[in-house]
Amino acid sequence: EDKVVQSPLSLVVHEGDTVTLNCSYEVTNFRSLLWYKQEKKAPTFLFMLTSSGIEKKSGRLSSILDKKELFSILNITATQTGDSAVYLCAGAGGTSYGKLTFGQGTILTVHP
Amino acid sequence: NAGVTQTPKFRVLKTGQSMTLLCAQDMNHEYMYWYRQDPGMGLRLIHYSVGEGTTAKGEVPDGYNVSRLKKQNFLLGLESAAPSQTSVYFCASRQGGSSYEQYFGPGTRLTVT
Repeated sequence: EDKVVQSPLSLVVHEGDTVTLNCSYEVTNFRSLLWYKQEKKAPTFLFMLTSSGIEKKSGRLSSILDKKELFSILNITATQTGDSAVYLCAGAGGTSYGKLTFGQGTILTVHP
Repeated sequence: NAGVTQTPKFRVLKTGQSMTLLCAQDMNHEYMYWYRQDPGMGLRLIHYSVGEGTTAKGEVPDGYNVSRLKKQNFLLGLESAAPSQTSVYFCASRQGGSSYEQYFGPGTRLTVT
């Protein structure tokens, strides 16, 4: 059975701090690792990582995948209160329908 | 483009009642999915569709049925609601190919009393 585990489950920081969110996965026929940000409503897509060791960046957010050790990290530098959200990672396996297996999420709270 | 929309946004049902959740996407995506999200359990796949007229069971299909009569719409039905079906329901769609990115709707919060 495919499994994705995120840590920590929750994190409280102050504005300006840097945070690292972790995601480990066991996904049959693994193809890609995806990160989503979920505020009050729908998860919104952040990154998709397919190749090991290549960092993807978007502003203050960056992510990297290690396919040998089966994990990914999401870094957020100079955090802002607007970064407060649940961050979800998901592993995509090689099924015919593009199955995503989601982790439980990390709840990030950024205080002013 | 509206992306993925869901109706209704909120609903309260009594045990045994039935209802249908509607998902619509305007991106011409082939694949559509229904998930439920419960505290501490992440998103779990209920049913999915790989194209118009086709549906299949996901991880937690019991108590739900789906239909995809038109490419842009994916309906989720609860025939006889149970309190265990209290959850937030998300619909998602995906184009296909080597991109696994799914686009999510805003969710429906369902409470069954």
